[in-house]
Amino acid sequence: AQSVTQPDIHITVSEGASLELRCNYSYGATPYLFWYVQSPGQGLQLLLKYFSGDTLVQGIKGFEAEFKRSQSSFNLRKPSVHWSDAAEYFCAVAPTGGNKLVFGAGTILRVKS
Amino acid sequence: DADVTQTPRNRITKTGKRIMLECSQTKGHDRMYWYRQDPGLGLQLIYYSFDVKDINKGEISDGYSVSRQAQAKFSLSLESAIPNQTALYFCATSDPRTPTGELFFGEGSRLTVL
Repeated sequence: AQSVTQPDIHITVSEGASLELRCNYSYGATPYLFWYVQSPGQGLQLLLKYFSGDTLVQGIKGFEAEFKRSQSSFNLRKPSVHWSDAAEYFCAVAPTGGNKLVFGAGTILRVKS
Repeated sequence: DADVTQTPRNRITKTGKRIMLECSQTKGHDRMYWYRQDPGLGLQLIYYSFDVKDINKGEISDGYSVSRQAQAKFSLSLESAIPNQTALYFCATSDPRTPTGELFFGEGSRLTVL
């Protein structure tokens, strides 16, 4: 069965600093990959997704993620973090064909001024 | 108005009580899901439904049941609530015509069982 690992439970970065959130997956083939963000008191919002093609994908709010097949990773990046980026971030995978997503445990991002 | 609406948003109940969480959507999606979120565990799939006549168990269905009343409505029931069912519950939808199957979430229902 596929699984998703987000090694960092909490990350704190200074406003304006760069950000990288890690995600590793375990799956036999290349799955569909997603990053979602959950702001306090809100549901989950899709930031970006990868299913084929260019391994560097752009998302909303200035985020990007890079798929690295050799490392089974799909890390999320942002060059300059804003205080409004403080939230919990979830990586998720789905087998080719979609349907059921499997989520990582999440990474809580804190932004200090 | 939200595309995926969950009611109630917050509920406190006692052990042994029956609870229903309701979800309705205006996205026109056939597929609907119930997830449970616990701190440090991410989201775990409880039940999912690919159409009105299709109901499937997810990873953690014990203690829960669902009803798909219509394409737009999917309810989650706890027949006899217990304290370890205290969690944040999310309803989600997806469109089978979208190859990647990304989910669209409601704002969540926070359930506390005393």
